[in-house]
Amino acid sequence: SYELTQPPSVSVSPGQTAWITCSGDALPKKYAYWYQKKSGQAPLLVIFDDTERASGIPERFVGSSSGTMATLTINGAHMEDEADYYCYSTDITGEHWVFGGGTKLTVL
Amino acid sequence: QINLRESGPALVRPAQTLTVTCSFSGFSLTSNGVGVGWIRQSPGKALEWLAVVYWNDDKRYNPSLIDRLTITKDIYKDQVVLTMTNISPEDTATYYCSYSVFDYFGSGSFSSDFWGLGTLVTVS
Repeated sequence: SYELTQPPSVSVSPGQTAWITCSGDALPKKYAYWYQKKSGQAPLLVIFDDTERASGIPERFVGSSSGTMATLTINGAHMEDEADYYCYSTDITGEHWVFGGGTKLTVL
Repeated sequence: QINLRESGPALVRPAQTLTVTCSFSGFSLTSNGVGVGWIRQSPGKALEWLAVVYWNDDKRYNPSLIDRLTITKDIYKDQVVLTMTNISPEDTATYYCSYSVFDYFGSGSFSSDFWGLGTLVTVS
């Protein structure tokens, strides 16, 4: 079955830039989405259609995609950005959605 | 205002069938492009997409779980029900439902979604 691959963890200091990558064979043809997940809370959509910020998401969150890799960039990370981040997309058929394995972002 | 609420048993015995229900308000599952899906997260694990049912009753399942899952919608009760057969401790998870409007006949994309708070199901 289709897989999206993310690094398990990323660490940055407050104010630094964090990059979280997601690789998948279908990403050249399928949109990537990014979710923020904090403990005890429902996932929050951050980026849709590769590059579009969801409603209410700060401008420091930027999505990009090139070839088989999508990237979530957090410019000037804040302490409150510490969370698990998941990429989300479909397989090449567009019928089955898949989450990446998640990346734990630590801001300290 | 869109709201979704998951409900289900807190504890289920292995080998039984799990039924979780998503009750929603603020939208209709008869509107073009609407889809309601189920996602779960086992303790310490990643989010896992399970299934989705669309307004036109089209249904899609996680290929690795397709033999065990059934998703149905009740447009009169405003509910979506997911059943999972032959459950095991590995199915212990918080089960979420979510609503989106998809570009069903185009790119298949969506631009926003709404989630319930989830319901924790323990298999033991």
